[in-house]
Amino acid sequence: AQTVTQSQPEMSVQEAETVTLSCTYDTSESDYYLFWYKQPPSRQMILVIRQEAYKQQNATENRFSVNFQKAAKSFSLKISDSQLGDAAMYFCAYRSNAGGTSYGKLTFGQGTILTVHP
Amino acid sequence: NAGVMQNPRHLVRRRGQEARLRCSPMKGHSHVYWYRQLPEEGLKFMVYLQKENIIDESGMPKERFSAEFPKEGPSILRIQQVVRGDSAAYFCASSPPLQPIFYNEQFFGPGTRLTVL
Repeated sequence: AQTVTQSQPEMSVQEAETVTLSCTYDTSESDYYLFWYKQPPSRQMILVIRQEAYKQQNATENRFSVNFQKAAKSFSLKISDSQLGDAAMYFCAYRSNAGGTSYGKLTFGQGTILTVHP
Repeated sequence: NAGVMQNPRHLVRRRGQEARLRCSPMKGHSHVYWYRQLPEEGLKFMVYLQKENIIDESGMPKERFSAEFPKEGPSILRIQQVVRGDSAAYFCASSPPLQPIFYNEQFFGPGTRLTVL
């Protein structure tokens, strides 16, 4: 079974600074997706960024980028020019693309609470 | 196109009562996933359904929990004889029909927060 680990329960950053959230995962599969989701106090799950395992290029979405190290099974999220609205819980998630019994379900890490200081 | 709808947003039950949580997927989506988020934890997969079929219930507790997705109407997650440990946020997510090659995003609803007194 796949596992996702976020070893930083809490992180903080000053507004306009850069912060990196860590995520590691364990899998024996080669075909999968990785995601970062944001959960603000409203609890709505918002997709921030996704990475396909077969793509070597790191995904980027505006101020959000990832550092995907497939061999190390590491998937960190970098938030540049942090804004107050970035304050939330961030979850790393894994999804197998191997078909079979995976059925596209997501496996989540424990989450990292990000605080942004003005 | 309206997003995934869940109701109620908040549900309070006393121990031993039944809880029914509803999820209406996005238009055109025929796949529904239910996840549970216990306090201070990440989301955990519970069950995956297609119209009129339970495909994967490997994350569902063996007793008291059931789910359905009828041909017409919303998907229902039902918890019988609730206990305090069932207090959590329950999220559903919908996605279009799976394809073997292309990416399918899951769109999440706002969740139902269940409190068991």
